[in-house]
Amino acid sequence: DTGVSQDPRHKITKRGQNVTFRCDPISEHNRLYWYRQTLGQGPEFLTYFQNEAQLEKSRLLSDRFSAERPKGSFSTLEIQRTEQGDSAMYLCASSRGHPIYGYTFGSGTRLTVV
Amino acid sequence: DQQVKQNSPSLSVQEGRISILNCDYTNSMFDYFLWYKKYPAEGPTFLISISSIKDKNEDGRFTVFLNKSAKHLSLHIVPSQPGDSAVYFCAATGGSQGNLIFGKGTKLSVKP
Repeated sequence: DTGVSQDPRHKITKRGQNVTFRCDPISEHNRLYWYRQTLGQGPEFLTYFQNEAQLEKSRLLSDRFSAERPKGSFSTLEIQRTEQGDSAMYLCASSRGHPIYGYTFGSGTRLTVV
Repeated sequence: DQQVKQNSPSLSVQEGRISILNCDYTNSMFDYFLWYKKYPAEGPTFLISISSIKDKNEDGRFTVFLNKSAKHLSLHIVPSQPGDSAVYFCAATGGSQGNLIFGKGTKLSVKP
């Protein structure tokens, strides 16, 4: 069990550029979540996969955002035409099912849009 | 509209004393509640959870109390240690999907 890995840890991009983040969950976990956290706020839900199926998307996930989880393994989160308001910590988490067990979060990818 | 509220942005406690972190929620459909701890530059770490059918759950120094009628839960840490200094998030969910709604967090400082 190597935990949840996220890559890159930090990303600085110019406004209007596209960025892609990767998340490798714990291998036996079938659920994968993406959250976004800004300063002074708690994590905010973006989207959720069970295996390869994307089952829920938040209204925060505008049409510039897309997430995939091919073959139910790793996941990618892409942001197109980045805006300064996209600057945040993007957190990935995985779980083995029932919410009572909690999620395991990765260390996050900090995005700065300049 | 915030469904999970942590009204104290910060809390300072002396080492060895009890830390009590509070959380209120508005959605009566929530049936699982969790506490996470977060150190700077790390992701949140799961601490303890409670189902709505219980009013108390204990794990070592950590105890979570749930008052459903008041829509209130609290996390007690006894005794508090300097290593407990972190931001604590309360989270809630309804059903088995597991999409957690988080509060804004309370920064706990435990002074030696």
